[in-house]
Amino acid sequence: QVHLVQSGAEVKKPGASVKVSCQASGYTFTDYYMHWLRQVPGQGLEWLGIINPSGGVTTYAQSFQARLTMTRDTSTSTVYMVLNSLGFEDTAVYYCARAAGLGANIFPNWGQGTLVSVSS
Amino acid sequence: DIVMTQSPDSLAVSLGERATITCKSNQSLLYSANNKNYLGWYQQKPGQPPKLLISWASSRESGVPARFSGSGSGTDFILTISSLQAEDVAVYYCQQYLNTPCTFGQGTKLEIK
Repeated sequence: QVHLVQSGAEVKKPGASVKVSCQASGYTFTDYYMHWLRQVPGQGLEWLGIINPSGGVTTYAQSFQARLTMTRDTSTSTVYMVLNSLGFEDTAVYYCARAAGLGANIFPNWGQGTLVSVSS
Repeated sequence: DIVMTQSPDSLAVSLGERATITCKSNQSLLYSANNKNYLGWYQQKPGQPPKLLISWASSRESGVPARFSGSGSGTDFILTISSLQAEDVAVYYCQQYLNTPCTFGQGTKLEIK
């Protein structure tokens, strides 16, 4: 059974960075791409980027390329997302989601979400 | 980026009645090499991550009740709930996964009338 467990809620000040983790279990970690998405409270879903856990290759949404980094640790089956230069507009729930398969970037498996609050 | 537009934004349906949500894309989601539509539907309840209901426009995920069905091809898609149950109250999203970035509709809030 696929299980994705994210790190806990964070409160950050404007200009700070946040690191969110997502530990996977129940499948071969390197066989499936992992995505990060976010949802501003009361709003829709926004895709942030993707990491291939096998080689660590990443692709980021254009609007986040300058301040987003995704990494992985195959020894612990964990992916990480770091977002720099936080602004109030970055207050959102951040999700990791596992792709269904190669060439199928749809998400049958999600983490529970991590609320990142940016407040002065 | 592919733009996804859902309608309506909100919908109130009586218990046991049919609910229909539409999703339109600004370019075709049908990939000719495999004749598949790269369109999915999710249900999201408050405080929970989205739950995938339908992939490939019409393929119901394991465990999803048969009252949920997806149809359509190309740029126009429909999610139908044949007989609304109380537990179906949620926000529903469509998502295209033909191109990166994958993109979502704005959501449709479904309530009981």
